[in-house]
Amino acid sequence: DTGVSQDPRHKITKRGQNVTFRCDPISEHNRLYWYRQTLGQGPEFLTYFQNEAQLEKSRLLSDRFSAERPKGSFSTLEIQRTEQGDSAMYLCASRPGASYNEQFFGPGTRLTVL
Amino acid sequence: RKEVEQDPGPFNVPEGATVAFNCTYSNSASQSFFWYRQDCRKEPKLLMSVYSSGNEDGRFTAQLNRASQYISLLIRDSKLSDSATYLCVVRGNNNDMRFGAGTRLTVKP
Repeated sequence: DTGVSQDPRHKITKRGQNVTFRCDPISEHNRLYWYRQTLGQGPEFLTYFQNEAQLEKSRLLSDRFSAERPKGSFSTLEIQRTEQGDSAMYLCASRPGASYNEQFFGPGTRLTVL
Repeated sequence: RKEVEQDPGPFNVPEGATVAFNCTYSNSASQSFFWYRQDCRKEPKLLMSVYSSGNEDGRFTAQLNRASQYISLLIRDSKLSDSATYLCVVRGNNNDMRFGAGTRLTVKP
C-alpha cells in the first residue's frame, strides 16, 4: 500500500498522559497536513509542513501540541498532558508540490482520553 | 462565524433525485476550492476541484461565485452509492485548508 499511513490507528489513554502519533506520507509528497476531526464536524486544520519546515499552525494547536517533520518525510504529532477534550480522530494528509491540489488522507488515529 | 459554512443537512432523497449543496466562505483571499466526500468512518477523498468558470464531472456540477464567496455542488440522478458526507473545502493563501462541517446525504431506494 503506497498511500498515507498513520500509526497507531487507535489510542486509549488516561488524562494527563502524553501521546505521540506518526504519519508516513506518500513518498515524495513534500506537503504534509495534520487535522483533527470530531463527530459531526469536518476536519479542523492543525498544522502544515512543506518538507521539514512547519509553515502554518492553527490557533487550535495549543502549547500542549507539537508537530515535527525532521527529515521532510514522516511526521509526528505529540499531545502532552492529554485532556478529555482532546478525544478525536487525528488525520494526516499529504500532497505533492504547489501545483497539485488534491490532498491524500491517511486512515487517521482515533484518540480516546479517559 | 465559521470560516466555511455549509447547509446543515441531512438530505434524504430518493434515487434519481437532483440535490444541491451550498457553501459559503469568509476569507476573500481564499485561493482554491474543493468538494471532498467522506464515507462513514473513512477518510475524506477528493470529489472535485471547483473552478471559477464552473465545472462538471459526470453527474456532479460545481459552481463558484467569488463575489458572493459561495460554492455549490449539484448531484443529478442520485445513486445509492452517493450516500456520504460532502465537505466543502477552501484553501487560503498560506496553503492552509479549511473544511466545512459537512452535509450528510442519504439516497434511498
